[in-house]
Amino acid sequence: GESVGLHLPTLSVQEGDNSIINCAYSNSASDYFIWYKQESGKGPQFIIDIRSNMDKRQGQRVTVLLNKTVKHLSLQIAATQPGDSAVYFCAETSGNDMRFGAGTRLTVKP
Amino acid sequence: DTGVSQNPRHKITKRGQNVTFRCDPISEHNRLYWYRQTLGQGPEFLTYFQNEAQLEKSRLLSDRFSAERPKGSFSTLEIQRTEQGDSAMYLCASSLDQARAYEQYFGPGTRLTVT
Repeated sequence: GESVGLHLPTLSVQEGDNSIINCAYSNSASDYFIWYKQESGKGPQFIIDIRSNMDKRQGQRVTVLLNKTVKHLSLQIAATQPGDSAVYFCAETSGNDMRFGAGTRLTVKP
Repeated sequence: DTGVSQNPRHKITKRGQNVTFRCDPISEHNRLYWYRQTLGQGPEFLTYFQNEAQLEKSRLLSDRFSAERPKGSFSTLEIQRTEQGDSAMYLCASSLDQARAYEQYFGPGTRLTVT
């Protein structure tokens, strides 16, 4: 069936370095792809979205890339800070429900 | 705080009991969603409302699960005859409207433990 998944369950980076979190999806009918950040004890927080007809979108310190050919989504975080430590989920929607992947835990080392 | 709120934050119940959780969305948001999240997994969609109308409920986990949003504002999620497998975090989210349905704002969740 359709699924959203992640390549790596954990990622550790040095403070100040750039982080790249990857996600594979299989539902080619998805309209939007979204990245959420979840800190311990909190609900997921919307970071950035990208529509299926785009291949790149930039936000503040974050960039999302969408490669529809290989059904791959990535989140790039520039100059990673300790406050970026969290679990990051990719999600996709092709209607009114949203499907989340399992998440990648990002740890930022000082 | 004008974000999404959920009550209670924690609930411990014995197997077989009924539980009800409440969600108060961001006031101007007309869409409200319920999710379940188990440890190490992403949220799993359960149901959603557009104002007071429940537009999708086929993803509710069983007929023991039901949700309401009677006045189009707060919502409740009820689980009847709880089972140990129902232990999880139950998340509520809201979005402004259909056009921005992918931009959802989540509450802190209600953690349910069934003993």
